Amino acid sequence: IVLTQSPGTLSLSPGERATLSCRASQSVSSNYLAWYQQKPGQAPRLLIYGASSRATGIPDRFSGSGSGTDFTLTISRLEPEDFAVYYCQQYGNSPRTFGQGTKVEIK
Amino acid sequence: EVQLLESGGDLVQPGGSLRLSCAASGFTFSTYAMSWVRQAPGKGLEWVSGIGASGDSTYYADSVKGRFTIARDISKNTVHLQMNSLRAGDTAKYYCAKHEGNWLGALDMWGQGTMVTVSS
Repeated sequence: IVLTQSPGTLSLSPGERATLSCRASQSVSSNYLAWYQQKPGQAPRLLIYGASSRATGIPDRFSGSGSGTDFTLTISRLEPEDFAVYYCQQYGNSPRTFGQGTKVEIK
Repeated sequence: EVQLLESGGDLVQPGGSLRLSCAASGFTFSTYAMSWVRQAPGKGLEWVSGIGASGDSTYYADSVKGRFTIARDISKNTVHLQMNSLRAGDTAKYYCAKHEGNWLGALDMWGQGTMVTVSS
């Protein structure tokens, strides 16, 4: 399954709402879709699994939604530490695949 | 505290071999699936290989199938990635990651990675 993320870069200010899209080339089995955050020089961190469940310790300003082939990660109000690259990943089909990433940068 | 510590990354010539290791601690290693994910410099994430909790089931990306082998040593809480016939395109930071369960679900913990450079 090919995952296509859009936009490639999102330029926003702290306090604004961020909406990131992940579109799959075919339906993701059981909505097994995860979102990860990666900051420069750091390993990725799991934010969302099962399309909409927040991982342990993830603030509630992060939310995931969607099903089938269209998924969305929403950050309700951007904090300075949220500026990073975000990846979606599907784990319902083999091989597991990642999207190419969306960079959220400070405007 | 869950920790994953990768080792074994190095500079290797095309066609060469390398063995990566990941030492796990802070969780019951034998009950979780594990994977390797790589990231070429300045690029995105690519899932490379995974292994089920018991070690009986292994999975590979098409790009490494037949060249890479994943294995786990439950007695030493370690997962390995044997990489043969290395190519320039294999140059990347390799992350070891823990799955959320005994199958290849979401990756809920990651190591800091080890760098593999394939160049003459």
